[in-house]
Amino acid sequence: DGGITQSPKYLFRKEGQNVTLSCEQNLNHDAMYWYRQDPGQGLRLIYYSQIVNDFQKGDIAEGYSVSREKKESFPLTVTSAQKNPTAFYLCASSTARDRVGDTEAFFGQGTRLTVV
Amino acid sequence: SQKIEQNSEALNIQEGKTATLTCNYTNYSPAYLQWYRQDPGRGPVFLLLIRENEKEKRKERLKVTFDTTLKQSLFHITASQPADSATYLCALLLDTDKLIFGTGTRLQVFP
Repeated sequence: DGGITQSPKYLFRKEGQNVTLSCEQNLNHDAMYWYRQDPGQGLRLIYYSQIVNDFQKGDIAEGYSVSREKKESFPLTVTSAQKNPTAFYLCASSTARDRVGDTEAFFGQGTRLTVV
Repeated sequence: SQKIEQNSEALNIQEGKTATLTCNYTNYSPAYLQWYRQDPGRGPVFLLLIRENEKEKRKERLKVTFDTTLKQSLFHITASQPADSATYLCALLLDTDKLIFGTGTRLQVFP
């Protein structure tokens, strides 16, 4: 069953703690993305990766870190430096632009992070 | 500055009418423009994609237009149904594989 999986669905953490959100895909996609969504808002790009062992900052990368050691996995760490981490986090994957076919993005179910 | 703008006010229309949503962007040169649907608490779902050299794309009751001179895309849902009620997001795919989204427009179709 192909798709993209985020875990956990809900996550609670104390202020000042780092937390890592998981994102796994078995779609053989090259590109992967992390977005943050606040209530009533659109998606803001945190980081994206076009290929293994390489990633680029999005528009709101401060306070976040990522790694891309495997094609299938793109974990996001929310560090204590992120001032307002409570949000809905979405991971997505797609084929790279230079591949044949359309480049639609597939999204996971999201992780709702609450920092108390 | 670079912006993707969608109408932040909700669009309320009667069942059976055509819904038209607007996406405007500035200071981008997208390779593709995409439209997604998002239901509350869920991830967005892809609907349609249009390339920079295409003017119009259709899929069932959906139609997208793309004007790179005006830097605008219009998204139409014909014969709208209450089940079409959701938030609709436009997204730009840039040459670097960077995928960026607008703020979304909430559509409400009432019987």
